[in-house]
Amino acid sequence: QSALTQPRSVSGSPGQSVSLSCTGAASDVATYDFVSWHQQHPGKAPRLVIYDVTKRPSGVPDRFSGSKSGDTAFLTISGLRPEDEADYYCSSYEGRQIVFFGGGTKLTVL
Amino acid sequence: EVLLAQPGEEVKKAGESLRISCQASGYTFSRHWIAWVRQMPGKGLEWMGTIYPGDSDSRYSPSFQGQVTISVDKSLSTAYLQWDSLQASDTAVYYCARRGDTLTGYDFWGQGTLVIVSS
Repeated sequence: QSALTQPRSVSGSPGQSVSLSCTGAASDVATYDFVSWHQQHPGKAPRLVIYDVTKRPSGVPDRFSGSKSGDTAFLTISGLRPEDEADYYCSSYEGRQIVFFGGGTKLTVL
Repeated sequence: EVLLAQPGEEVKKAGESLRISCQASGYTFSRHWIAWVRQMPGKGLEWMGTIYPGDSDSRYSPSFQGQVTISVDKSLSTAYLQWDSLQASDTAVYYCARRGDTLTGYDFWGQGTLVIVSS
C-alpha cells in the first residue's frame, strides 16, 4: 500500500507564494500523472483544487497551480489570501481504481 | 446542479449494523465512480473504496477490505456504505464524493455523515 508524505504544516504571509509537497513512497506519483489536491476548511467538505497534476477545475482561482518532479508533486499557491488558510490533501492513483490520500498539510496564513 | 445528499448524523451502539446513504442528483448517476472517504475526529482523509454505479463494480482500500460494504441502487441514484457490526473506532465523518473525468479528482462531495458509535 502506498504512502504519500506531506509536511504537517506550512505558513506564509498574505501576498506571498507557498509550495506544498507530496512525496510518494511507492512508484505511484512517479508513474502516473494522476495526482489531485483537495482543500478543506474546518468543518467543511473537501474541495477539489487541482487534478491530473496540473489541471484546475472551473471556479478555482489561477493562483492555484500544480506540478510534479519525479516522485514528488507540488501545489503552489501564489498571492496568498487569508481564505487560503485550510488543510490540503494530495491524492494519487494506485491502479485498479484505487486512490490514496496523503496525511494533509495545514496551511497557515500569518 | 450536481448534489450529493447525505444524512447529517447517525448514533449507534457497538455491535449494531448501519447503512448510510448518498443520494445523487443533477447528473447521470451511472456514469461516474462514487467513493467513500473517512475522516476520524481531528484526523486526515482516508479513501475507503469506490463503486461504479453503471455495473456495481466496487473496489476497496486494503485497509477497509472486509470491514465495510459499498453498494448502489441505480433506480434511486443512491450509493451506500454499510457496516455489519460497528465498533467505537468507527466514529468518524464519512463523505461520499463523485469522481470527475479523471482518476483521482473528486469534483463534488456530500456534506458528510457523522457516525457516532458508543461502547
